[in-house]
Amino acid sequence: RKEVEQDPGPFNVPEGATVAFNCTYSNSASQSFFWYRQDCRKEPKLLMSVYSSGNEDGRFTAQLNRASQYISLLIRDSKLSDSATYLCAVRTGGTSYGKLTFGQGTILTVHP
Amino acid sequence: GAVVSQHPSRVICKSGTSVKIECRSLDFQATTMFWYRQFPKQSLMLMATSNEGSKATYEQGVEKDKFLINHASLTLSTLTVTSAHPEDSSFYICSARDGAGSYNEQFFGPGTRLTVL
Repeated sequence: RKEVEQDPGPFNVPEGATVAFNCTYSNSASQSFFWYRQDCRKEPKLLMSVYSSGNEDGRFTAQLNRASQYISLLIRDSKLSDSATYLCAVRTGGTSYGKLTFGQGTILTVHP
Repeated sequence: GAVVSQHPSRVICKSGTSVKIECRSLDFQATTMFWYRQFPKQSLMLMATSNEGSKATYEQGVEKDKFLINHASLTLSTLTVTSAHPEDSSFYICSARDGAGSYNEQFFGPGTRLTVL
């Protein structure tokens, strides 16, 4: 079983739609959780960290369910510019030398 | 935000040659740097973790004699792909952790696309 798993998609949605991605992780000792956005042929960029209480940043909402070991990302009112690959990432390790493990990414295409 | 640079951004080489990729933290001291590899339509896979002044820790399945990592200073780490072969063609991305910041801060370089002919 992979440490971090995502549905690769692709998700094709019209502008204005709401879309949700899920990601599961296998290590129950994982401590930090993130969503990254990666554009084609570019490096990943941090979209948001995911906190236990859930957190929102504009049109983006991230949630963490430790009991079921999954994190989610909700994008509301999708824009064309949201088209990208969304990677979830999980950090394990109790010190500053923790390791960040990525899921394979979910491809999102927003069309007019 | 913090900036991490990589050089070169793209390299094409013949099979059997060695290629060196540099990763620099431009405005912070990186006590830890990470090297990832990403094949097309796949995720980033951690290859190794390097700490300044000590030997790198390689992930399972990554040959340390083939992928030489040097982290000689707090702002520079290098990855050398020795005797590169076509199967080594990939997108190599480094990441650096700000030693003075929150341990959750990890910044990525723009990546190096390696093509081995």
